[in-house]
Amino acid sequence: QSVLTQPPSASGTPGQRVTISCSGSGSNIGGYTVHWYQQFPGTAPKLLIYTDDHRPSGVPDRFSGSKSGTSASLAISGLQSEDEAYYYCSAWDGGLRGVVFGGGTKLTVL
Amino acid sequence: EEQLLESGGGLVQPGGSLRLSCAASGFTSNNYAMNWVRQAPGKGLEWVSSMSGTDGSTYYADSVKGRFTMSRDSSKNTIYLVMNSLRVDDTAVYSCAKSFGLGVSSSMDLWGQGTLVSVSS
Repeated sequence: QSVLTQPPSASGTPGQRVTISCSGSGSNIGGYTVHWYQQFPGTAPKLLIYTDDHRPSGVPDRFSGSKSGTSASLAISGLQSEDEAYYYCSAWDGGLRGVVFGGGTKLTVL
Repeated sequence: EEQLLESGGGLVQPGGSLRLSCAASGFTSNNYAMNWVRQAPGKGLEWVSSMSGTDGSTYYADSVKGRFTMSRDSSKNTIYLVMNSLRVDDTAVYSCAKSFGLGVSSSMDLWGQGTLVSVSS
């Protein structure tokens, strides 16, 4: 059971807006910044969003992050077929003194 | 170009040991926090260990604490993960990842492709 809770799956049609939630607690999301990673099967994860809502260079602005209290969200607008992947949230946990990941969300583009 | 290349994985019996290496190129690993993350077959990402870029402090997941040790060799720009008392549930692809900054709470902005560790009798 992951410390951060994500829905196991999400889906949408091309052009649609999809959001993926990430729920934690005061010792992780509530006290530290949240990061999001995108992973295609058989490949290394890629940083998608850092420090709650910042996009690394090269990440399309269709991807956005937000945080409120002990929850965070990843939003993907203008959904494209190439967005079909696994998405993971993560944060430092001050109580556990370690990094915690969500269980991952498999995004399907219908 | 910044790159991370892991090596040292393989098949080992329960109770055995392995040393994983992660060679960094294109940047000085001393100047960043570094991490090990594993992914069991068909499962999600699991954090294993981090080393601070400020003072070299190390942090471990409870599942590996006391069995795994993370270290770095600055002269070789390489980080290591020594894994002892390996268990079947340690089977996974182990990846090293560079943090965005010195702190262990930073995002991981560069990942290696990983090395497979299989623990089986």
